Amino acid sequence: DAGVTQSPTHLIKTRGQHVTLRCSPISGHKSVSWYQQVLGQGPQFIFQYYEKEERGRGNFPDRFSARQFPNYSSELNVNALLLGDSALYLCASRETVLNEKLFFGSGTQLSVL
Amino acid sequence: AQSVTQPDIHITVSEGASLELRCNYSYGATPYLFWYVQSPGQGLQLLLKYFSGDTLVQGIKGFEAEFKRSQSSFNLRKPSVHWSDAAEYFCAVGLNAGKSTFGDGTTLTVKP
Repeated sequence: DAGVTQSPTHLIKTRGQHVTLRCSPISGHKSVSWYQQVLGQGPQFIFQYYEKEERGRGNFPDRFSARQFPNYSSELNVNALLLGDSALYLCASRETVLNEKLFFGSGTQLSVL
Repeated sequence: AQSVTQPDIHITVSEGASLELRCNYSYGATPYLFWYVQSPGQGLQLLLKYFSGDTLVQGIKGFEAEFKRSQSSFNLRKPSVHWSDAAEYFCAVGLNAGKSTFGDGTTLTVKP
């Protein structure tokens, strides 16, 4: 069975640009969470979605947005990129919001120059 | 506000030796507690979790963790470390797995 897949795996952008990161959850998983992991730090929660509705948002500016599609895949969008947005962006899925086993993808490494 | 502290940034142990990774947390309510492992270039894998019940929790790969409410700690242990255990380990807390607060991790090096 396929795990959580994220695309692209690596991305280079310049300041001020926009980026879209994509995530396909494990088949049957309806909840997706996004995390940002800056080098040398632990992951920081950005968004959680369940059944296409936002179920939580971390302490990130409005430049960060996300959505979940009817097939439960998800996109994370970041506008007006800053150098500090350079990080590994991790997507994780689970069957429902009541299930406490979270499965992570390998992430998208974003570099902002 | 919730927070997680992993006091040891880097730990080195010899193969076959025992391991304990420390985790202290601050949280208003009784949270879920998790330990994850991350190998280079990989996402995180759940080792074990705790919410209630027996305070000694068994996980995958021979790991266990003990919850101590009085110390707000959730330390991870393994009796005998294998070279393949070399990785970064993260402790996390939250009211649910999808919105967890993570510590900054402990990097484990295993000496032959």
